[in-house]
Amino acid sequence: DIVMTQSPDSLAVSLGERATINCKSSQSILYSGDNKNYLAWYQQKPGQPPKLLIYWASIRESGVPDRFSGSGSGTDFTLTISSLQAEDVAVYYCQHYYSSKRFGQGTKVEIK
Amino acid sequence: EVQLVESGGGLVQPGGSLRLSCAASGFTFSSYWMSWVRQAPGKGLEWVANINQNGRERYYVDYLTGRFTISRDNAKNSLYLQVNSLRVDDTAVYYCARDSTVAGFFENWGQGTLVTVSS
Repeated sequence: DIVMTQSPDSLAVSLGERATINCKSSQSILYSGDNKNYLAWYQQKPGQPPKLLIYWASIRESGVPDRFSGSGSGTDFTLTISSLQAEDVAVYYCQHYYSSKRFGQGTKVEIK
Repeated sequence: EVQLVESGGGLVQPGGSLRLSCAASGFTFSSYWMSWVRQAPGKGLEWVANINQNGRERYYVDYLTGRFTISRDNAKNSLYLQVNSLRVDDTAVYYCARDSTVAGFFENWGQGTLVTVSS
């Protein structure tokens, strides 16, 4: 099974500053048949279900602010919040859907 | 608007059983793969199972096969999860989620139903 490991476990960023979350898969999740990375990112605010932010590693879901971006390929991926807003305080999860499905352990983003 | 509403959670003793339900609306339920994802208190997300459009394909996380059974009733726009031989570490919020039509990520989530396994 493919294991997803996020880093850091938590980070504190000042309002307006950049937040960067990393996600590493234990094997490549780039499928050669379609050249797509089978990776999604979710945001979960306290007391709420997760919300899809990014899929195919870099495609922003409709309605997601453009300060959220995803990048990476193969085994190493990044979610970037370019200018942190107060409403971005949440736990962020990566998820592979290459074979079966598995989430990373989550990264908690707070305001410094 | 897509709506997924879970029910059926509650307090159950170890070894007990529950049937969780998810009522879907706002989309053509029979056209989508559906999943259950759980989250233990204060912990991360864990995909549990999914089922294809006609119910003939079902997949489970390895270590839950045999105790959990996913099913659906397209006539009732409903998804189910039968959970048997419950253990304390099955305590979690169980979310119903709609899979994307193109791949295995989750486009929509319900609010979840809490299952507490305790004596």
